[in-house]
Amino acid sequence: GAVVSQHPSRVICKSGTSVKIECRSLDFQATTMFWYRQFPKQSLMLMATSNEGSKATYEQGVEKDKFLINHASLTLSTLTVTSAHPEDSSFYICSANLGTSSYNEQFFGPGTRLTVL
Amino acid sequence: DAKTTQPPSMDCAEGRAANLPCNHSTISGNEYVYWYRQIHSQGPQYIIHGLKNNETNEMASLIITEDRKSSTLILPHATLRDTAVYYCIVRRKGGSEKLVFGKGTKLTVNP
Repeated sequence: GAVVSQHPSRVICKSGTSVKIECRSLDFQATTMFWYRQFPKQSLMLMATSNEGSKATYEQGVEKDKFLINHASLTLSTLTVTSAHPEDSSFYICSANLGTSSYNEQFFGPGTRLTVL
Repeated sequence: DAKTTQPPSMDCAEGRAANLPCNHSTISGNEYVYWYRQIHSQGPQYIIHGLKNNETNEMASLIITEDRKSSTLILPHATLRDTAVYYCIVRRKGGSEKLVFGKGTKLTVNP
């Protein structure tokens, strides 16, 4: 089946530092990947759409200079949280579209728990 | 904003069928109904999707009303491992179409 991995699964960092999260599609190529954020007891909120070889499309209210997204290959997208602050502590989840047909399913990674001290 | 309405929570006895409803009265003709679930502290898991016909796979069945304004996800024999938040999402076809998550239904399967 389609597998999406994320690394790291859990990270703790100091306020002001930057953190990079990797999202990989392990057994398929994904031209489009998505990044979500989920706060405790809330639903997933889409942050941005990552397209291979082009700039990411950010949702309204998401700072593109703070959440840097790079999708340099068909199997890897990265999210860098720059100058992290405690309010950035959250569960970050990526997803990848399988295939190029019109009836794509998105497959999700296991998530990365970020804690900013 | 999410275009679906789901009850916030439901309970089901282990071994019984779990029927999760979803209203999507403003669904467009080119939008599909997708179901995902999220077990605590994990990424969402795809379950099933459909356009207008009923669908069945190894995980669940999806029943869509004829007017497509509502649907029901059926887990035929719920187990404790099916305890999760279930999300009903409408989405257009296309690889770059995003999923917009609502609040979902927290299903608790009781022993």
